[in-house]
Amino acid sequence: GQQLNQSPQSMFIQEGEDVSMNCTSSSIFNTWLWYKQDPGEGPVLLIALYKAGELTSNGRLTAQFGITRKDSFLNISASIPSDVGIYFCAGHLSGGSNYKLTFGKGTLLTVNP
Amino acid sequence: GAGVSQSPRYKVAKRGQDVALRCDPISGHVSLFWYQQALGQGPEFLTYFQNEAQLDKSGLPSDRFFAERPEGSVSTLKIQRTQQEDSAVYLCASSLLGGGNTGELFFGEGSRLTVL
Repeated sequence: GQQLNQSPQSMFIQEGEDVSMNCTSSSIFNTWLWYKQDPGEGPVLLIALYKAGELTSNGRLTAQFGITRKDSFLNISASIPSDVGIYFCAGHLSGGSNYKLTFGKGTLLTVNP
Repeated sequence: GAGVSQSPRYKVAKRGQDVALRCDPISGHVSLFWYQQALGQGPEFLTYFQNEAQLDKSGLPSDRFFAERPEGSVSTLKIQRTQQEDSAVYLCASSLLGGGNTGELFFGEGSRLTVL
């Protein structure tokens, strides 16, 4: 079963607002990844984090690898309608294989224009 | 094509039928993965191939699930005697590298299986 707790489960915001979502785990992760999935599509990688404490940006997206290696957050600034979708955190468990990804249950983001 | 291609996109099967789902990875990609995504859940790992070798099949739910990649490119996921709990989207992903660091995974659009 999945070992990542992702919150919130869903968010409904106005265009232009900032958004924050996070993932926590009782287990240590070696990497943290954030994906976006549109309806009927596969997940697409947004940001990858490889070191504890790492803070990485990709346009309006910013993500951090928690210092304890058990959590990560994703921020989206100045949301736009095309940000709508399901956002998943994922990672490689410490002590596990370095190819098998563990995913959270996702955060459904709705942006009201 | 440029991306990972999966077929069929949608499959409806009667309980007890066998199904086969196909994945065409990005040309030249060494690693290939199958994930299962139930409704409202994140993807869950099923199996991993490096070229034609199936290095990990620990995520396959039962012996009714079988995957192959005989020539190190196209892969097929076969489910025998389908059950209702097999209903899910089956995602295929490929990555350029193998071994210790497979690099970024590129996912296909998935095959949605509904078992009646």
